[in-house]
Amino acid sequence: TQLLEQSPQFLSIQEGENLTVYCNSSSVFSSLQWYRQEPGEGPVLLVTVVTGGEVKKLKRLTFQFGDARKDSSLHITAAQPGDTGLYLCAGAGAGSYQLTFGKGTKLSVIP
Amino acid sequence: KAGVTQTPRYLIKTRGQQVTLSCSPISGHRSVSWYQQTPGQGLQFLFEYFSETQRNKGNFPGRFSGRQFSNSRSEMNVSTLELGDSALYLCASSSLPQTGLSYNEQFFGPGTRLTVL
Repeated sequence: TQLLEQSPQFLSIQEGENLTVYCNSSSVFSSLQWYRQEPGEGPVLLVTVVTGGEVKKLKRLTFQFGDARKDSSLHITAAQPGDTGLYLCAGAGAGSYQLTFGKGTKLSVIP
Repeated sequence: KAGVTQTPRYLIKTRGQQVTLSCSPISGHRSVSWYQQTPGQGLQFLFEYFSETQRNKGNFPGRFSGRQFSNSRSEMNVSTLELGDSALYLCASSSLPQTGLSYNEQFFGPGTRLTVL
């Protein structure tokens, strides 16, 4: 069974601060995705990374896939209240489309 | 393009009852997956349907079942409800494998919040 551990579980920061959340596993993933979920809604896909060492940027969000494809990080620069939500990582093993989700990092950005 | 829709959005049932939840995928998507989300366990995979066939199944008891219709709409059923079945049930659709992508991008509906009393 492939497990994804996300840390921290909870994060409360002031508007304008930077933050990094992590997604780690002992398993290798062929692809890894990050989703954001707001209260009362389903998760929304932010990015997919597929190559070891890959870095993708989405405005103030920077996503990195580890060289060994076992871990990933999400860095937010100058966080804003609109970034508040549950951030979930999800990975697919080699030869499989089935996604395994981490339990998420709940981010609160205080104005 | 309309997104994934789920009905109903909220449901309250009592122990022992059964419930049916519905999901309409994005037009053209033939893969539909169901997940259970709870604060303690996070998002857990229930099952996936493609072209009316269950293709993958998670580790849930037989009380949880599903089906998919020829128009790709899907339903999931939970029989003999237990208090622990209270959760947000999410449906996600995917265009795999038609796009030729090597990875699975899922588009989620808003979920059905089930409360079992």
